[in-house]
Amino acid sequence: DGGITQSPKYLFRKEGQNVTLSCEQNLNHDAMYWYRQDPGQGLRLIYYSQIVNDFQKGDIAEGYSVSREKKESFPLTVTSAQKNPTAFYLCASSILAGPPNTGELFFGEGSRLTVL
Amino acid sequence: AQSVTQLGSHVSVSEGALVLLRCNYSSSVPPYLFWYVQYPNQGLQLLLKYTSAATLVKGINGFEAEFKKSETSFHLTKPSAHMSDAAEYFCAVGGSQGNLIFGKGTKLSVKP
Repeated sequence: DGGITQSPKYLFRKEGQNVTLSCEQNLNHDAMYWYRQDPGQGLRLIYYSQIVNDFQKGDIAEGYSVSREKKESFPLTVTSAQKNPTAFYLCASSILAGPPNTGELFFGEGSRLTVL
Repeated sequence: AQSVTQLGSHVSVSEGALVLLRCNYSSSVPPYLFWYVQYPNQGLQLLLKYTSAATLVKGINGFEAEFKKSETSFHLTKPSAHMSDAAEYFCAVGGSQGNLIFGKGTKLSVKP
């Protein structure tokens, strides 16, 4: 079945460690996104990519990095520079790259990162 | 710039009662509007979307929303709540960066 796969679903990290969250899609979508979700704050955009080998910062990119070497993959690295990394991370993709975005986003099941 | 405001972080209704979740938007261009639902520890699922066709949009699970330009609103309704509707609901508007801009969400509780 087509969809978006995020892994791992749960991840624990010690302070000072980098961690990479995986996001793979087989929908043949051009655009991919990373959002961060905190209770009561909705979804905030971290990074997005509209084409392979290109990506742009979202509203809260500090302390995060991404790559887009393949159309189907958009991994997110949470670096030690991120001051409060404990959150639920959601990856999404869309067929229409915008702007403005006129198409729906398809979401993965999310990855919950906890910093110990 | 685009933005979304969802009125009420928590809404509680009785089973069988009307569900009304409020969303107001701000957009410098004709808006594309969406409602998503999220169950605990899961991703978001699209309920419905408005893309400048009919102002009354029907979605999945009996939900619908009406686009009112004069009120800059896109409220979500369902005539009769079911226990399985308990979840968090997000309103979103198409963003100028090619993304979607989300409201802060409304948690819906359904009492038996």
